[in-house]
Amino acid sequence: QSVLTQPPSVSAAPGQKVTISCSGSSSNIENYYVSWYLHLPGTAPKLLIYENNKRPSGIPDRFSGSKSGTSVTLGITGLQTGDEADYYCATWDNSLNAVVFGGGTQLTLL
Amino acid sequence: EVQLVESGGGLVQTGRSRRLTCSTSGFRFALYGMSWFRQAPGKGLEWVGLIRSNDYGGTTEYAASVKGRFTISRDDSKSVAYLQMNSLKTEDTAMYYCGREYGDYEGCAFDFWGQGTMITVSS
Repeated sequence: QSVLTQPPSVSAAPGQKVTISCSGSSSNIENYYVSWYLHLPGTAPKLLIYENNKRPSGIPDRFSGSKSGTSVTLGITGLQTGDEADYYCATWDNSLNAVVFGGGTQLTLL
Repeated sequence: EVQLVESGGGLVQTGRSRRLTCSTSGFRFALYGMSWFRQAPGKGLEWVGLIRSNDYGGTTEYAASVKGRFTISRDDSKSVAYLQMNSLKTEDTAMYYCGREYGDYEGCAFDFWGQGTMITVSS
């Protein structure tokens, strides 16, 4: 199982808002920046959020990130069909000396 | 335009070796750390390892699952990174991706990724 814990799936209707949680510990999330990725298997993962809450250029402000203690949250508003994908959180873990990912959350539009 | 292209995938027998190449363009490769990742069928993304830029010693780190079997190297003159995989196991079957570090610290993000190359390990 993954070092970071994400819900396996979330769902919402088009136009609505969804949040995806990612929980860890003091050896990872609490003390390091977290990034979020959108991924469709077989394609290049896409960076959505870096340093907990910053968006790279080209990422719309419908995507947001926040952090509190050992948990982070990705928020997506105004859901669109193109948002259906798998979402992953990632950070560094100083007890493993490794980059760690959450198990991934599949977003489904109702 | 930043581009990363993985190559070298294919069918490999258990116990054998394979080298993957991440060919890059559109940026000054020597200044960036690079990582390899993989996704096994039906599983999530997994980090395989990283190589820092030579400004940071060109040092490497590996996931426990591949340490001692996989080696990452780089050739800044060719703007490529390599993943040498030895003693391959069936559980190494996955799509392998390379990614560029967006920062030079632990916990930095990966801002550009390749499309991946598939490795299938079979007896």
